[in-house]
Amino acid sequence: DIVMTQSPDSLAVSLGERATINCKSSQSVLYSFDNYNYLAWYQQKAGQPPKLLIYWASTRESGVPDRFSGSGSETDFTLTISALQTEDVAVYYCQQYYSTPHTFGQGTKLEIK
Amino acid sequence: EVQLVQSGAEVKKPGESLRISCKGYGYSFTDYWIGWVRQMPGKGLDWMGIIYPGDSDTRYSPSVQGQVTISADESITTAYLQWNSLKASDTAMYYCARGITGTSHPYYFDYWGQGALVTVSS
Repeated sequence: DIVMTQSPDSLAVSLGERATINCKSSQSVLYSFDNYNYLAWYQQKAGQPPKLLIYWASTRESGVPDRFSGSGSETDFTLTISALQTEDVAVYYCQQYYSTPHTFGQGTKLEIK
Repeated sequence: EVQLVQSGAEVKKPGESLRISCKGYGYSFTDYWIGWVRQMPGKGLDWMGIIYPGDSDTRYSPSVQGQVTISADESITTAYLQWNSLKASDTAMYYCARGITGTSHPYYFDYWGQGALVTVSS
């Protein structure tokens, strides 16, 4: 199985400031056939199911605010929230879909400082 | 509008069997994968397995292989997650989610069900 490791486990950021969450995979999730990184990011607010934010490592899902962005390649990825809003308080997960099982990171809890 | 509607909360005893469901609305059920994700109380997301209703291709995580069965009935656009003998450690929230279809390979989840809480206790 591919192991996904996120850092940090929790993060407190002031409103309007940048939040950065890292995700590292135990092997490359860049598929040479199509040159895509098979990596997604999800947001889970308390008491709700997860919501897709980013896929192919950097493609924003329709309706997701442009303050959310994804970057990285092969084994190292980053989710950035450019200016934190109160509604961004949540747990964030990365997931690889390069090979089954499509493992998730352990999650990063984002709070307001 | 795409929706995945899951069956309700369940309370069961160890050793009992259970099947929970996930009904898809608003899209072609046989053109997308349906996956199941477990979330134990206060914990993260755990990918359990996935099925392609179009041909019943099913993939399981090694962590649950043999412990659960994933199936689908395309005639009623419903996927299922089934246990033959529940354990207390199966207590969790279970989400179904729609998987985008790649070249004979499932991709990310774009829509999620509301979740079904399963409690197993004597």
